[in-house]
Amino acid sequence: GQNIDQPTEMTATEGAIVQINCTYQTSGFNGLFWYQQHAGEAPTFLSYNVLDGLEEKGRFSSFLSRSKGYSYLLLKELQMKDSASYLCAVRAFSGGYNKLIFGAGTRLAVHP
Amino acid sequence: SQTIHQWPATLVQPVGSPLSLECTVEGTSNPNLYWYRQAAGRGLQLLFYSVGIGQISSEVPQNLSASRPQDRQFILSSKKLLLSDSGFYLCAWRSTTLSYEQYFGPGTRLTVT
Repeated sequence: GQNIDQPTEMTATEGAIVQINCTYQTSGFNGLFWYQQHAGEAPTFLSYNVLDGLEEKGRFSSFLSRSKGYSYLLLKELQMKDSASYLCAVRAFSGGYNKLIFGAGTRLAVHP
Repeated sequence: SQTIHQWPATLVQPVGSPLSLECTVEGTSNPNLYWYRQAAGRGLQLLFYSVGIGQISSEVPQNLSASRPQDRQFILSSKKLLLSDSGFYLCAWRSTTLSYEQYFGPGTRLTVT
């Protein structure tokens, strides 16, 4: 089956660095996405990794290891507005087409 | 630029009543369209997927259905709502030529009472 695991909740301090991990067991892997979702709002795209390694985009970086079935999202210089849920999603080929399979999300609370 | 609209934003419906949620996309042609549901504290669950007019793939057998009457219009329906249909319904689109990321609409919060 398809399974994606990420921590339910995390807390961090403003200005600090936080790493949100995601592990997955899926067949037909074709890439991994990270989305940010503020409470009551739609998810917004953060990053996409299809090859192993680190992708950096401003304060956010995302890492992928396909052999380990592992990814992380790194948030630097945390701001209060970074308080949100972070969704890990695997793009997998299943049932004849590529689809996104989402984890339950990690709720991050940033404190002053 | 591309935009995606969903309505209504919130809806409270009694059990057994019908449902119709609408999603439209602007600024792109022939997008892939998706319906997701997000239950409280859970991940997004893919409900339906469409690659073109009249072409619908169903992910989860249930009392919901979807239709795509026009290229940029996607409708989610039910004849009789169940309590378990409550949730946050999100429509998303993806370009078939540019990239793999999906872009989400603002969502509809449905409460079945």
